[in-house]
Amino acid sequence: QVQLQQWGAGLVKHSETLSLTCAVYGGSFSGFYWTWIRQAPGKGLEWIGEVNHSGSTNYNPSLKSRVTISVDTSKNQFSLKLSSVTAADTADYYCARRDIRSSGAPTDYWGQGTLVTVSS
Amino acid sequence: DIQLTQSPSFLSASVGDRVTITCRASQGISSYLAWYQHKPGTAPQLLIYAASTLQGEVPSRFSGSGSGTEFTLTISSLQPEDFATYYCQQLNSYPMTFGGGTKVEIK
Repeated sequence: QVQLQQWGAGLVKHSETLSLTCAVYGGSFSGFYWTWIRQAPGKGLEWIGEVNHSGSTNYNPSLKSRVTISVDTSKNQFSLKLSSVTAADTADYYCARRDIRSSGAPTDYWGQGTLVTVSS
Repeated sequence: DIQLTQSPSFLSASVGDRVTITCRASQGISSYLAWYQHKPGTAPQLLIYAASTLQGEVPSRFSGSGSGTEFTLTISSLQPEDFATYYCQQLNSYPMTFGGGTKVEIK
């Protein structure tokens, strides 16, 4: 059974860097894209970006200048860094797995979510 | 970016009702569409992928259809545990956008 467990600071100061990590338990780490998605209060879901086991990344252009997603295959972990945060970055952040081997390449497993609040 | 427009954005229904949610894409996405159920305080759950394939243990009252630019999620007989917000997501091209969501509430 695949499980994604995420952690990181829940309170980040304005203009600083948000940092979250997600560990993957069970299943293979290669052959998938590892994804970050967020949901601001009262808003819908927003795709942030993804990384595969070899470190190849795809980012949302709206966040690309501030986002870094990296992978540590020795630990089956991947991480999100979002720099220069503002109140607009306050959101629930989810890590997730996208199965590119499956028809339609869906996001099939999700972490529990981390609420990150940006303070002034 | 591909825009996904879900309708309705809010739906009030009773247990046992048949419910249909529509997702329209601003350009063709073949069958690269997934549907998720999201309840407060929990992670979204994959219901349908490749427009019409039911994920794992998801009950058969859920079904999906469509291709190209128009897609539907149908719940054949709404159950108490189905009251939630539903999102579509296109996985055809980057960035992988979501629809605005449809909140299903108890009438």
